[in-house]
Amino acid sequence: GQQLNQSPQSMFIQEGEDVSMNCTSSSIFNTWLWYKQEPGEGPVLLIALYKAGELTSNGRLTAQFGITRKDSFLNISASIPSDVGIYFCAGLGGGSNYKLTFGKGTLLTVNP
Amino acid sequence: GAGVSQSPRYKVAKRGQDVALRCDPISGHVSLFWYQQALGQGPEFLTYFQNEAQLDKSGLPSDRFFAERPEGSVSTLKIQRTQQEDSAVYLCASSRWQSTDTQYFGPGTRLTVL
Repeated sequence: GQQLNQSPQSMFIQEGEDVSMNCTSSSIFNTWLWYKQEPGEGPVLLIALYKAGELTSNGRLTAQFGITRKDSFLNISASIPSDVGIYFCAGLGGGSNYKLTFGKGTLLTVNP
Repeated sequence: GAGVSQSPRYKVAKRGQDVALRCDPISGHVSLFWYQQALGQGPEFLTYFQNEAQLDKSGLPSDRFFAERPEGSVSTLKIQRTQQEDSAVYLCASSRWQSTDTQYFGPGTRLTVL
């Protein structure tokens, strides 16, 4: 099935550094979402974006919905060890208003 | 309140066996979804229920996969004659009302087919 293009695949950073990851699609989405998944758990929603150009923050996380509606990015500032996990972008829309289309994920490792 | 729960958490099956995976959505949630997550991949949509009605099963990989939600609450995903390529984590999610509402995921069932 279709998956979004998410990069980078993995990141190794030092505690305190900022992180940026992005997601692109060949299709337009009406909603962009960012999830975090930890080992043995299901994805947990971090940020939801509903409007092209929208910039939304949730604590140290900031995400933007691209103007073309075909891309989104997520920034994490001042990373801490508990930020470790796999981050997924997901799109909603483009013919379905309920079927989430996910990226392949970015594995984030934070060295204390 | 309790989140989405799934059982079993881990299942090992021999090739050819049938398996049944259970999902208990958040109480009162109308919409229920099943996703399949292969190793190193993002989740992929399998099927969608609104109450007891299965409105979309377009993501089910083959006719060996069957899902039901007979009373509009608990759902079961059944895989018949399991194959090695069925090995994956099966995630269930529920949303409160509209299908576009936030989907809350369960911890998943990791299925390994030997």
